[in-house]
Amino acid sequence: QAGLTQPPSVSKGLRQTATLTCSGDNQNVGNQGASWLQHHQGLPPKLLFHRNNNRPSGISERFSASRSGNTASLTISGLQPEDEADYYCSAWDSSVSAWVFGGGTKLTVL
Amino acid sequence: QVQMQESGPGLVKPSETLSLSCAVSDDSIIRGYSWDWIRQPPGKGLEWIGNIYQSGDTYYNPSLKSRVAISLDTSKRQFSLRLTSVTAADTAVYYCARVLEGYIYGFQDWGRGTRVTVSS
Repeated sequence: QAGLTQPPSVSKGLRQTATLTCSGDNQNVGNQGASWLQHHQGLPPKLLFHRNNNRPSGISERFSASRSGNTASLTISGLQPEDEADYYCSAWDSSVSAWVFGGGTKLTVL
Repeated sequence: QVQMQESGPGLVKPSETLSLSCAVSDDSIIRGYSWDWIRQPPGKGLEWIGNIYQSGDTYYNPSLKSRVAISLDTSKRQFSLRLTSVTAADTAVYYCARVLEGYIYGFQDWGRGTRVTVSS
């Protein structure tokens, strides 16, 4: 069971825009999309986007999500210090009937 | 806003069974959600363990399937995880979470997590 592929780290400056990617295949990301989680250590992960790219209430509009084929993307505009966190994508993999996660991307705001 | 709280031993000996429970604060335990367990080993990413639906259907991570069982007790508003034959590799923070049934949803609600160490 292969997981989803995310870059291990991304660094961007304050108030810049960061785009994080998540690559899968047509049995997971390409099938039902990917959801996105933000994780600050010591706290539980927080859902940023459902698999249909809808934001739960309370999530800032600075966050946006999209998908092209088997790759999902999370874009964060106007980066703030509090955006520094680990970001995970997840998707249901229909080939194994299981959720799969990406390895996570550590976002550093310079 | 639902509250979810994990409970169980923080220390388990190698080869023994890890047992955790997740208490759910409202009656959504009998509604259309999947009830999931996810863990994060030290210094590593999130790993999905498995889930259970109100129907009783369960799905497990193929890499853990032979050692995992998840059960649901609606009368107590809780669901539970059993992981047998644990090793140091099972040391992790264990989270419970829920996902609304349907093909578009993600892990919306989480417990705060409980740290489990496997050591003699």
